[in-house]
Amino acid sequence: AQSVTQLDSQVPVFEEAPVELRCNYSSSVSVYLFWYVQYPNQGLQLLLKYLSGSTLVESINGFEAEFNKSQTSFHLRKPSVHISDTAEYFCAVSPSGGSYIPTFGRGTSLIVHP
Amino acid sequence: DVKVTQSSRYLVKRTGEKVFLECVQDMDHENMFWYRQDPGLGLRLIYFSYDVKMKEKGDIPEGYSVSREKKERFSLILESASTNQTSMYLCASTMSSTNTQYFGPGTRLTVL
Repeated sequence: AQSVTQLDSQVPVFEEAPVELRCNYSSSVSVYLFWYVQYPNQGLQLLLKYLSGSTLVESINGFEAEFNKSQTSFHLRKPSVHISDTAEYFCAVSPSGGSYIPTFGRGTSLIVHP
Repeated sequence: DVKVTQSSRYLVKRTGEKVFLECVQDMDHENMFWYRQDPGLGLRLIYFSYDVKMKEKGDIPEGYSVSREKKERFSLILESASTNQTSMYLCASTMSSTNTQYFGPGTRLTVL
C-alpha cells in the first residue's frame, strides 16, 4: 500500500518570490514519483517525474523537485514564480515494478499574487 | 503528442438518468483510468482497464460501471445518476512501462 501527503492545501505567494510545495509519501516498495499541474478548467498534465538516476529533476518551466529517500519526500520548488504558475499541483507515486496504479495527493493550490 | 479526449466538457443530468461519459486516446495505450475529482479530496480512482474487455475496480466503484470494447475507448456509465455524483470526471491513459498518466480535459457533471 502507498499513500501521499501534500502538507499544504493552499500556498499564496507574491510574484517573483520562491516557493516550495511539499510532498511526503509512504510505500512498502520502490516507487516512481510525479508532479502534475492542473490549470483552471483543464485536465492534469505532467510537470516532472523521478524514475531513477539523479535525485534532482527539472521541468522546462523552471520547477525542480528532489527525491529524498531517507525523508520519503519529493518537494517541488521554484526560485521565482510567475502569475501564470497559478494552478493546482498534485504529487503522485506509483510502484516501480508490477502494478502501475498511481496514488495521488489531495493537491496544493498555488496562488501567485501580483 | 498523446491526445486524450472526453466526449463532453460540461454535462447536466437529472437524478435517475443513465449517463455515459466517453474517453478516447490516440496512442495505443494499454491502460485507461477513470477518476473523479472533488475539492479537498484530490483524485479518486473509480475504475481502470489494462486491456480490451478487462476492468478492475478502483477505490470508489459504487454507483458506476465501465466498458472497454476497443483499445482506444473507455466509457464510464452512471446507471442511475444521483446528486452525490456531481463532480469533475477525469479520464487518463498510460503505457505500463512509463507509468506517466495522460489526462483528458475533464467532464464537469452536474446532477440535479
